[in-house]
Amino acid sequence: DSGVTQTPKHLITATGQRVTLRCSPRSGDLSVYWYQQSLDQGLQFLIQYYNGEERAKGNILERFSAQQFPDLHSELNLSSLELGDSALYFCASSATGTSGPTDTQYFGPGTRLTVL
Amino acid sequence: AQKVTQAQTEISVVEKEDVTLDCVYETRDTTYYLFWYKQPPSGELVFLIRRNSFDEQNEISGRYSWNFQKSTSSFNFTITASQVVDSAVYFCALSEALFSGGGADGLTFGKGTHLIIQP
Repeated sequence: DSGVTQTPKHLITATGQRVTLRCSPRSGDLSVYWYQQSLDQGLQFLIQYYNGEERAKGNILERFSAQQFPDLHSELNLSSLELGDSALYFCASSATGTSGPTDTQYFGPGTRLTVL
Repeated sequence: AQKVTQAQTEISVVEKEDVTLDCVYETRDTTYYLFWYKQPPSGELVFLIRRNSFDEQNEISGRYSWNFQKSTSSFNFTITASQVVDSAVYFCALSEALFSGGGADGLTFGKGTHLIIQP
């Protein structure tokens, strides 16, 4: 158990809909990362938040957005869903302070999204 | 742009054999971090090791060992005396230093190597 929690475990929805995935980081970790794992694209970095602020962006679609709240949990919002958005979405967290090297990212169990 | 290549899509060995998973990376940074993660059939991603670009010492942890060679941009992973429980997909990943000034801090993953250990 990494200490990172994600809800829900599974989500089934229809094209055009909007969903929200939730992540709670490990106790004390300030950074949250979102990744998408699909058969086509493999594991791809989407976005990172550090202590409530967006820190870095990867291959995140404009239809997707995220935020990190004052209690450090994060939500990934996916809208106007398409069949190709079906994937396993992982959240990871790390300590990542304001100085020092990149910390290790510990991953949650993932949310499996199926778009029908 | 950074890139990680795991050329072996799938490896199948019989239990107790040694197996090496290859990882080759590309980066323009002089400071970077390399990782290995394991994804068992249950689906979670389990951290195995982190290595920074200034530390080329090989590492051994039980039956696992890692060989980091900057000269060939490789970070290979060997499992000695493999067991059925080692069956999983193994991912190599790269991250540039947080304050290097270039690129995102997210991990760049290889496509993974599916390791099958047969009893």
